[in-house]
Amino acid sequence: AQSVTQPDIHITVSEGASLELRCNYSYGATPYLFWYVQSPGQGLQLLLKYFSGDTLVQGIKGFEAEFKRSQSSFNLRKPSVHWSDAAEYFCAVGARGNTPLVFGKGTRLSVIA
Amino acid sequence: DAGITQSPRYKITETGRQVTLMCHQTWSHSYMFWYRQDLGHGLRLIYYSAAADITDKGEVPDGYVVSRSKTENFPLTLESATRSQTSVYFCASSVEMNTEAFFGQGTRLTVV
Repeated sequence: AQSVTQPDIHITVSEGASLELRCNYSYGATPYLFWYVQSPGQGLQLLLKYFSGDTLVQGIKGFEAEFKRSQSSFNLRKPSVHWSDAAEYFCAVGARGNTPLVFGKGTRLSVIA
Repeated sequence: DAGITQSPRYKITETGRQVTLMCHQTWSHSYMFWYRQDLGHGLRLIYYSAAADITDKGEVPDGYVVSRSKTENFPLTLESATRSQTSVYFCASSVEMNTEAFFGQGTRLTVV
């Protein structure tokens, strides 16, 4: 079965600084990979997804993520963080079969002035 | 309105009572899911459904019951609520099992 780890529980960055949120997965084949964002009091919204092809994936709100097979990683990046990016971010992995997505425990992002 | 809606948004109930959380989606997605979100645990899958009348257990199914008589509805019932079931519950739907899931706004349930 697949699994996913988000090593950072909480990250604080300054507004305008770059951001990288880490995601590591465990799965024997090429997985489906997702990043979701959850604003306070809201449901989860998809930021981006990787199924196959180009390993650098562009998403909404200026986010991107890179699939690195050799490192079993799918880190989320943004070159310049805005205060509105403060939220909880979840990485999820899907197996190529009939099993549900598995979510990481999330990384909370705080943005300071 | 199109999308996935959960009701109620907030619920307080007493230990031992039966509670049903509702989930309705308008996309005719085959798959529907129930998750609970707790601090330190992230999202944990309770139950999921591949189609009407087809349901299966997730990671934490104990104390919960689901049904899916219609494609668009997937209610979650706590038969006898316990304090440990205090949580935020999210319903989601998707076209396929492991593709993009669309989430509802969540139901914050408090069991006192």
